[in-house]
Amino acid sequence: EIVMTQSPATLSVSPGERATLSCRASQSVSSNLAWYQQKPGQAPRLLIYGASTRATGIPARFSGSGSGTEFTLTISSLQSEDFAVYYCQQYNNWPPGVTFGPGTKVDIK
Amino acid sequence: EVQLVESGGGLVQPGGSLRLSCAASGFTFSSYWMSWVRQAPGKGLEWVANIKQDGSEKYYVDSVKGRFTISRDNAKNSLYLQMNSLRAEDTAVYYCARGISSGSYWAYWGQGTLVTVSS
Repeated sequence: EIVMTQSPATLSVSPGERATLSCRASQSVSSNLAWYQQKPGQAPRLLIYGASTRATGIPARFSGSGSGTEFTLTISSLQSEDFAVYYCQQYNNWPPGVTFGPGTKVDIK
Repeated sequence: EVQLVESGGGLVQPGGSLRLSCAASGFTFSSYWMSWVRQAPGKGLEWVANIKQDGSEKYYVDSVKGRFTISRDNAKNSLYLQMNSLRAEDTAVYYCARGISSGSYWAYWGQGTLVTVSS
């Protein structure tokens, strides 16, 4: 099973600042990586797939990069609505299954 | 507009059973892989099961194999998850989800239904 790790666990950022979130896979997943945002009491929202392709309706301040085992989600200028938990997810071996990282919480500094 | 609406969650005793349903609308249900993803209280996301468009392929996370069964009824635009031999660690919000094209990542999610396994 491919194990995903994310760092940091919590990131404290001021509105308007840049946030950089990291995701690492235990083995290469090529570019088969997605990022999600989840706010309390809500379902996850797909932000990025294919490591760097923004999903429909996602603002340009969200960008993804990386391939193989190292990935980054960058939020160029944090807005108030961006404070949330962010998960990465690999789908390199799909089917059958996929695995998620443990998440990074972005909170207000 | 794509809509996924889960139902069937609730409180069940350890060892009990529960059947979750997901009513889909706004798209051609029979054209898409469908999935169940769960989230234990205060924890992260965990993929549970996938089913192919015609039901011919089904996959499960190891922790539910032999206990959970995913199924679908394309005539009723519905997805199901039959959960047997439930354990405390199955307590979670269960989401029904659909991908953009494949079933490997999910752009569309339901609101979730809470399953609590407790005596």
